[in-house]
Amino acid sequence: AQSVTQLDSHVSVSEGTPVLLRCNYSSSYSPSLFWYVQHPNKGLQLLLKYTSAATLVKGINGFEAEFKKSETSFHLTKPSAHMSDAAEYFCVVSDYFNTGKLIFGQGTTLQVKP
Amino acid sequence: NAGVTQTPKFQVLKTGQSMTLQCAQDMNHNSMYWYRQDPGMGLRLIYYSASEGTTDKGEVPNGYNVSRLNKREFSLRLESAAPSQTSVYFCASSEKRGENYGYTFGSGTRLTVV
Repeated sequence: AQSVTQLDSHVSVSEGTPVLLRCNYSSSYSPSLFWYVQHPNKGLQLLLKYTSAATLVKGINGFEAEFKKSETSFHLTKPSAHMSDAAEYFCVVSDYFNTGKLIFGQGTTLQVKP
Repeated sequence: NAGVTQTPKFQVLKTGQSMTLQCAQDMNHNSMYWYRQDPGMGLRLIYYSASEGTTDKGEVPNGYNVSRLNKREFSLRLESAAPSQTSVYFCASSEKRGENYGYTFGSGTRLTVV
C-alpha cells in the first residue's frame, strides 16, 4: 500500500526566509509524487511532480522538491517566501501502477508573516 | 476552456434530502475520481472510475453512489444526506497511467447538510 505523511500540520515563516515543508512516503514500488497547493477557498493547483526522471524537481513560483529514496522523503522548498505563498500544501502519491488514484497527505498550512 | 467542470458550486441540503453532483471533463481522460475534503484530513477518495463502464469504491464510499454515464461524465449521488457529509467535493480526471500522465481537478462543490 502507498501512503504519504506530512510531518508538519502548520509552518510559519517570515517573508523573505526559506520555506521547508516535509513529506515522507511509503510505496512498494518506485513512486510518482506530487505537491499541490490550495489557496483559501480555491481549487487545487499542481506545483510540481516527480516521475523517476531527475531527483530534483523544479516547479512553479520558485518551488522545488528533492526525491530521496534512501530517506523516503520528498520535501518541498523555496529559497525566499512571499506573502502570496500563504496557503495549504498537499504532498500526494499516485497509485499509477494499479488504479491511478491519488493518495493525499493531510496537508500543511503555510503562514507567511510580514 | 478544457478541463473538469463541476456543478453546482454551492449547495445546502436538509438532512435526508438527496442530490446529485455532476462532473464532466472534455480532455478524453479514461479515469475519473470523486474526493471529499475535510479540515485536517486532506482529500479522501470516495469513488473512482478507471475507465468507462467501471466504478470502484475508494476510502470513504459509505452514503454515496456513482454513475459513469459515459467517458465524459461521472456523477456522485447522495441518497439521504447526513450532516457528516458536509464537505467540499472535488472531481478529477486523469490521463493514462504511466510516465506521461497528469491529473486535472474541478473547482469543487461546497456542500452543507443541515
